[in-house]
Amino acid sequence: QQQVKQSPQSLIVQKGGISIINCAYENTAFDYFPWYQQFPGKGPALLIAIRPDVSEKKEGRFTISFNKSAKQFSLHIMDSQPGDSATYFCAARTGGFKTIFGAGTRLFVKA
Amino acid sequence: DTGVSQDPRHKITKRGQNVTFRCDPISEHNRLYWYRQTLGQGPEFLTYFQNEAQLEKSRLLSDRFSAERPKGSFSTLEIQRTEQGDSAMYLCASSFLTGQSSYNEQFFGPGTRLTVL
Repeated sequence: QQQVKQSPQSLIVQKGGISIINCAYENTAFDYFPWYQQFPGKGPALLIAIRPDVSEKKEGRFTISFNKSAKQFSLHIMDSQPGDSATYFCAARTGGFKTIFGAGTRLFVKA
Repeated sequence: DTGVSQDPRHKITKRGQNVTFRCDPISEHNRLYWYRQTLGQGPEFLTYFQNEAQLEKSRLLSDRFSAERPKGSFSTLEIQRTEQGDSAMYLCASSFLTGQSSYNEQFFGPGTRLTVL
């Protein structure tokens, strides 16, 4: 019940295309859903986050879509660029501190 | 650089040895977290501190693991009698908890990569 399931494991997208990563959760106590971007040799960095009372949040080229009834949320990267090539983690948090991460999606954007 | 720093960045040790990692959080951040990340997986929560108090420990944190934050500033994570299964990236993060919101961004350090031979 504490798991966050993420798909796909890896993704190859052409430059300028849309990258879509999906996540699903079971625990309805989760109340905060961040997405992290991680480059090799670095720690994860917060990209964008959403709370379950909002169905969509957009920041620049990054958009989170949230479906509370289906317990699913997704990250869309518009106009994907080679510099976006990284590993992306969805996550869920409850109680304000304990973050449960998905297994990650390795994104490669072809130039 | 005023981000979270971790030392060492890499550690290679033999099975059975003890190792200690250090984390320096962002100045004035009152919460500090430890996570473990194995290859191809997302980080897994280990423990967290609010100031010097250790408030939660994961079941992943066996009795060979101990974490401290003696003065509410830097933290250490010690692993005794290391095993090959302890090989992983150990990540530290910090955040500032205010009374208004508990959804404060956790800033991660670069991690310490442990290899147990």
